[in-house]
Amino acid sequence: GAVVSQHPSWVICKSGTSVKIECRSLDFQATTMFWYRQFPKQSLMLMATSNEGSKATYEQGVEKDKFLINHASLTLSTLTVTSAHPEDSSFYICSARDQGDTDTQYFGPGTRLTVL
Amino acid sequence: DAKTTQPPSMDCAEGRAANLPCNHSTISGNEYVYWYRQIHSQGPQYIIHGLKNNETNEMASLIITEDRKSSTLILPHATLRDTAVYYCIVRVNTNAGKSTFGDGTTLTVKP
Repeated sequence: GAVVSQHPSWVICKSGTSVKIECRSLDFQATTMFWYRQFPKQSLMLMATSNEGSKATYEQGVEKDKFLINHASLTLSTLTVTSAHPEDSSFYICSARDQGDTDTQYFGPGTRLTVL
Repeated sequence: DAKTTQPPSMDCAEGRAANLPCNHSTISGNEYVYWYRQIHSQGPQYIIHGLKNNETNEMASLIITEDRKSSTLILPHATLRDTAVYYCIVRVNTNAGKSTFGDGTTLTVKP
């Protein structure tokens, strides 16, 4: 299957700082990527849909000014958590849609964010 | 996207087949059934998907009922490494389709 990478795999930051997470599709082009958040012992929650060259579409209740998404190329989407607070600590997972493979979504390994 | 219902947990003996059910009674005609699994602290791993016909790959088999209101993922010979949370998702295969995760089934394979 197709490979999706994320960087960094984990990050610790101070409250009030911003953190950028990268999501890359390594062996396919993805016009659409998705960002999820997962709290301990819970399921994945979709945050936003990222479309190459256009603005992201955010799910209800997700603050677009706090979670900035940029999808500047067909292989890279970034999520920036601005002015992070301890409640933003979570496991952030991206996925990319491989339109050349019957539209299957492949997921990255996730990024563990801890805000002190 | 249609809602799915899965049992919260299941056990399976190592080497035996694991049969994981999923109900999706409100599935639309153009929605596919996808299965993913998530091992602790990792991103979900794609397993298999199908529309109407049964499907098989190197990881698993997917059996979809004729009315498409339910499906079963079959791991033919479960190993300890198959212990994970298994998610059944239904969605369309277009730009509008997005994967919405339910609570999944925690499968525990026991020696």
